[in-house]
Amino acid sequence: AQSVTQLGSHVSVSEGALVLLRCNYSSSVPPYLFWYVQYPNQGLQLLLKYTSAATLVKGINGFEAEFKKSETSFHLTKPSAHMSDAAEYFCAVSAYGGSQGNLIFGKGTKLSVKP
Amino acid sequence: DSGVTQTPKHLITATGQRVTLRCSPRSGDLSVYWYQQSLDQGLQFLIQYYNGEERAKGNILERFSAQQFPDLHSELNLSSLELGDSALYFCASSVPGYNEQFFGPGTRLTVL
Repeated sequence: AQSVTQLGSHVSVSEGALVLLRCNYSSSVPPYLFWYVQYPNQGLQLLLKYTSAATLVKGINGFEAEFKKSETSFHLTKPSAHMSDAAEYFCAVSAYGGSQGNLIFGKGTKLSVKP
Repeated sequence: DSGVTQTPKHLITATGQRVTLRCSPRSGDLSVYWYQQSLDQGLQFLIQYYNGEERAKGNILERFSAQQFPDLHSELNLSSLELGDSALYFCASSVPGYNEQFFGPGTRLTVL
C-alpha cells in the first residue's frame, strides 16, 4: 500500500533563507507524487507533481522537488523564502500509482517565515 | 480559484442531525473525490465518483453517503452526526486519466 511520511510538522525559516520540506514515500508501484499548499481558511492548491518524467520537477511560486527513487524521497525546496510562503504544505501519493485514484496525504508541514 | 465550488462554506449543527454538502466540479471533470480534514486524522479520502458511478471508497463511515448526479455535481450526506464529525470537508475533481486533482474551498462542519 502507498503511504507518505512528512518529517517535521513545523518548519521555521527566515525570509530569504532556503526552504526544505521533507517527504518520504512508500509505494508498491511506480508512484505519482504531489505537493499541495494550503493557506489559512482555503482549499489545497497544487504546487507541483511528479509523473515519472523528469526527476527534478519545477512548480509554481519558485518551488521545486526532486524525485529520488533510491531514497524514496520527494523533498520540496525553494531557494529563498518569502513571507507569503507561510502556509501548510502536504505531500501526497496517488493511491494506485499512475494517473488514477485518490490521493494519500502526509500529515502536513506548517511553514513559518520570520522577517 | 480552482473552478471547484462547494456549498455551504460553514455549517453548524447539533449531534444526531443530518446535513448535505454540495460540490460542483470543474467544467469537463468527470471524477469527484471527497476528503475529510481533521486535526487528529489529517486529510483522509472518503469516496470517489466517476461520471455518476461510485469508483472507490476510503475511510467513509456507514453514516455517510454520497452521490453524483447527471450534471456531475456531487453531494455528501452525513447523518446521525457526532461531535467527532466536526471537520473540513473538501471536494476535488480531475480529468479522466490525469490525476491532477483540483480542490474546492471546503465546507467547515461544526457539530455541537
